[in-house]
Parts: sequence; C-alpha cells; structure tokens
Amino acid sequence: AQSVTQPDIHITVSEGASLELRCNYSYGATPYLFWYVQSPGQGLQLLLKYFSGDTLVQGIKGFEAEFKRSQSSFNLRKPSVHWSDAAEYFCAVGANSGNTPLVFGKGTRLSVIA
Amino acid sequence: GAVVSQHPSWVICKSGTSVKIECRSLDFQATTMFWYRQFPKQSLMLMATSNEGSKATYEQGVEKDKFLINHASLTLSTLTVTSAHPEDSSFYICSARLSGRPQHFGDGTRLSIL
Repeated sequence: AQSVTQPDIHITVSEGASLELRCNYSYGATPYLFWYVQSPGQGLQLLLKYFSGDTLVQGIKGFEAEFKRSQSSFNLRKPSVHWSDAAEYFCAVGANSGNTPLVFGKGTRLSVIA
Repeated sequence: GAVVSQHPSWVICKSGTSVKIECRSLDFQATTMFWYRQFPKQSLMLMATSNEGSKATYEQGVEKDKFLINHASLTLSTLTVTSAHPEDSSFYICSARLSGRPQHFGDGTRLSIL
C-alpha cells in the first residue's frame, strides 16, 4: 500500500537559515510526488511536483525538491527561509495514471524565528 | 486561477441540521472527484472517491449514510453532511481529477457545528 512519511512533526528555523523537510514514500508504481503548503485556516497551495525527468525540481517561492529513487525520498529545500514561510507542509504521492487519489503525509509544521 | 471551486468556504450551523458542500471543476471535466477531511493539526484523510454517474466509494470508517456524495455531472460533486453533530466539525477539501492528469484541490470548507 502507498504511504508517505514525514519524520519531523515540527521544525523551527531562524529567518535566513536554510531548510530541509524530509519526505519518504512507499509506492508500488512510478510515483507522482508533490509538496503542498497550507497556512492556518487555508486550503492547499502546490509548491512543486515531480513526474519524471530531472530529479531536482524547482517550485514557487524559492523551494526545490530532489527525487531520490534509491532512498524513496523527496525532500524539500529552501536556501534562505523567510518569516512568511511559516506554515504546514505536506508531502503527497500519487499514481501517474488512472484515478487513484493522492496520499498525504502527516505534515511538518514550520516555525520561523527572528 | 482556481480550477476547482468549493462552496461555501465556511459554514456554522446547529447540531442536527444537514449541510451541503459543492465542488466544481471550472475548466475541465473531472472523471473523478475526491473528498478529504482534515481535523485540526492533522493531515488530509481521504473520505471517499466518486466517479460521475456512479456511487461513491467510501474509505473504511466513513459512514456513507452520514456523508452523502452525489456526483451528478463531470463538473459537479456535492457532499452532504446529514444530521451534523459537533464531532463532524472539520475542514473538508474536495479534489478533482481528469484521468491521467494531476489532482486539483478546492480551497476547502470549514464546517463548525454548534
């Protein structure tokens, strides 16, 4: 069965510091991988996605993620965090065909301190 | 712009009433729509999958008589929470997908039952 693990429930970083949020997945087929961000009381915003090709994916707001098949990982990174990046981040995995739904990790809450 | 519209964005009602949430795909025909529920500080959990013109498939533990899903057309699905109680208070998010294409998410509906 497909699953997504986000090992870190809560991360606190200083503004301007680098960030890496971890995501590991288990999927039987070729996966589509996604990172979403959610601010309190808001819906999901897609940061980036990986379907195929270049394993380093660039997203919005200066985020990037790297797909590593050998490690079943899709970690999210940002070189310099801004206070406005404080939010909940969800990694998700889905199929690249058919109508199966995305499966989400439990999320990582990012706090940014001055 | 948004490709999936969800309405209402926020509803407060008394215990025992029924609440209908609409999900519309705006510029594509969704072969499948998904309904997720998100409790505070938790991840999105899939409730059900619906295909146009057929009965929804509910995830284990989700009461189909409690959460009525109608997928009347390729652009509209509705979720009705019947006889809602305080424990049904949650954030409900719909998602639409055309077969083989990525899921698009609505902005969510915050349901508060008094």
